[in-house]
Amino acid sequence: NAGVTQTPKFQVLKTGQSMTLQCAQDMNHEYMSWYRQDPGMGLRLIHYSVGAGITDQGEVPNGYNVSRSTTEDFPLRLLSAAPSQTSVYFCASSYRRRVAGIYEQYFGPGTRLTVT
Amino acid sequence: KNEVEQSPQNLTAQEGEFITINCSYSVGISALHWLQQHPGGGIVSLFMLSSGKKKHGRLIATINIQEKHSSLHITASHPRDSAVYICAVFLYSGGGADGLTFGKGTHLIIQP
Repeated sequence: NAGVTQTPKFQVLKTGQSMTLQCAQDMNHEYMSWYRQDPGMGLRLIHYSVGAGITDQGEVPNGYNVSRSTTEDFPLRLLSAAPSQTSVYFCASSYRRRVAGIYEQYFGPGTRLTVT
Repeated sequence: KNEVEQSPQNLTAQEGEFITINCSYSVGISALHWLQQHPGGGIVSLFMLSSGKKKHGRLIATINIQEKHSSLHITASHPRDSAVYICAVFLYSGGGADGLTFGKGTHLIIQP
């Protein structure tokens, strides 16, 4: 299994540009999520999905969009990039027969995004 | 919302030393995760526990539910253990929308 994959690894955007961060998993996990990691702060949840066709907002959703058309893929879209979105983004997945937090989380390698 | 405090924030030790990283949280939980983030950035799950103690190789994780405290121990530390160690707690309907609240991490450096 490849586990959780993310592309690209690095990206530089100009303010106002849009882009999509890709995330895929091959473990048939129901639950997928996007986090951002900023210096001096813990991981913060952006959006999450409990299954294909179902998404919901996390702690810091503004400026981001997600969709979940298949179990495997969970792309994160930046609608109009801002310098405040400079961060490292992690995608994660887990089983979710009831609730995600009691199952092991599998993380992707991360995408380092810089917005100038 | 659960508050998760890790200590120390930074720790430098010599190879072979016994390492302890602490995690305290403010509200009762269902599960606690210990994660490892290497300098390259990838995050790996080390342990998930809801009671007692777990051991994997040189790593030991303990949790005291009554005291709302967990510790991660590394025996016979090695430079390859250098990483950021992150504690995350889970409470159904608490924390973020998925119930997970993360600490800020402990940056560990093991010198040869």
